[in-house]
Amino acid sequence: GDSVTQTEGQVTVSESKSLIINCTYSTTSIAYPNLFWYVRYPGEGLQLLLKVITAGQKGSSRGFEATYNKETTSFHLQKASVQESDSAVYYCALGDNYAQGLTFGLGTRVSVFP
Amino acid sequence: EAAVTQSPRSKVAVTGGKVTLSCHQTNNHDYMYWYRQDTGHGLRLIHYSYVADSTEKGDIPDGYKASRPSQENFSLILELASLSQTAVYFCASSEGGRSDYTFGSGTRLLVI
Repeated sequence: GDSVTQTEGQVTVSESKSLIINCTYSTTSIAYPNLFWYVRYPGEGLQLLLKVITAGQKGSSRGFEATYNKETTSFHLQKASVQESDSAVYYCALGDNYAQGLTFGLGTRVSVFP
Repeated sequence: EAAVTQSPRSKVAVTGGKVTLSCHQTNNHDYMYWYRQDTGHGLRLIHYSYVADSTEKGDIPDGYKASRPSQENFSLILELASLSQTAVYFCASSEGGRSDYTFGSGTRLLVI
């Protein structure tokens, strides 16, 4: 089956510093999967942060970027300068081409302090 | 605004009782999903549906039933709730294919 592994637990970072959350995936499908980053802010539901469906492409949103690397099967999330409002739980996820649901990583809680 | 709405927001249920979690979407999406989230497990797929009156098993369907009476509504049913079903439950919808998924705000279920 499919699996997603991401930076575990909690990451604490100072405001204006850079952030990287690692994500690697594994799939038994012969087709390249679709890759997603979702975010859950305190008290809210999951929101799509960015999505990339083509290997080699980069997605970006709200200052975050992630590149779909099929050679290393990775989709790391990066931001050059975080803000306190970026404090949230971030989930890397993988989906197939047939909308049969997403496979999620365990989530990474990011705490940004001033 | 298109959305996925879950009810109730939270619920306390007794062991052995029946629990129904409801989900309503205004996205006009064909696909709907139920996930549960537990500490240490991320989100896991319970059931999904791609058309009204039909449901499919996800990765962890045991102990759960699903019902899709219309395109807009998708329910998750726990016929005999157990302590191990304490979790946060998320509903989602999708257009299908390579589209992204829209999630509800979650239902926090505590079984005692």
